[in-house]
Amino acid sequence: EPEVTQTPSHQVTQMGQEVILRCVPISNHLYFYWYRQILGQKVEFLVSFYNNEISEKSEIFDDQFSVERPDGSNFTLKIRSTKLEDSAMYFCASSGGTSGTISTDTQYFGPGTRLTVL
Amino acid sequence: GQSLEQPSEVTAVEGAIVQINCTYQTSGFYGLSWYQQHDGGAPTFLSYNALDGLEETGRFSSFLSRSDSYGYLLLQELQMKDSASYFCAVREGKDNQGGKLIFGQGTELSVKP
Repeated sequence: EPEVTQTPSHQVTQMGQEVILRCVPISNHLYFYWYRQILGQKVEFLVSFYNNEISEKSEIFDDQFSVERPDGSNFTLKIRSTKLEDSAMYFCASSGGTSGTISTDTQYFGPGTRLTVL
Repeated sequence: GQSLEQPSEVTAVEGAIVQINCTYQTSGFYGLSWYQQHDGGAPTFLSYNALDGLEETGRFSSFLSRSDSYGYLLLQELQMKDSASYFCAVREGKDNQGGKLIFGQGTELSVKP
């Protein structure tokens, strides 16, 4: 069964360093997302991406964040200068988008990258 | 503002039925989803309601009342492996496709023998 994959599973970095989190969405999906979950808290939306551009972003997604789809399979989240408060689990998700009146457009999540900023 | 309210924790015994409620207040609404998460792992999709009524998928059912901004997840014949966190999530979007998920705080379900 197709699934979303993410690498690395765990990333440890020093404050101020840049990190790139990688995701391979489900191959025929059109919509891509990044979410994060701080330990013990709810999952929070960061950004959605469609047709090679950002379609929506949250207030969390400030200038230190960027996303890219460098080729036909990968979807990346870059954090330019990490802060302690960026420590969280980062989930990538993808959805197919459907035509018709009622769309489930289910989002499927990857296993996550645990980012630890020291 | 946007908010989803669900109980923080629920405890039940094996074989029992449990209902996890969710009330929501969001600026846009395309449907209510339910996800299961084990120990910080990937949220796993369980169910989705776009219209009022009950959706049944095996031991899990989900209900939605859009007029009441309310939904619930019903888990029947509970098993130990059902112990996990359960999140309701509203899908918002500019149209009928794509759209971000706004998650509730999650309900920690503990199933006892």
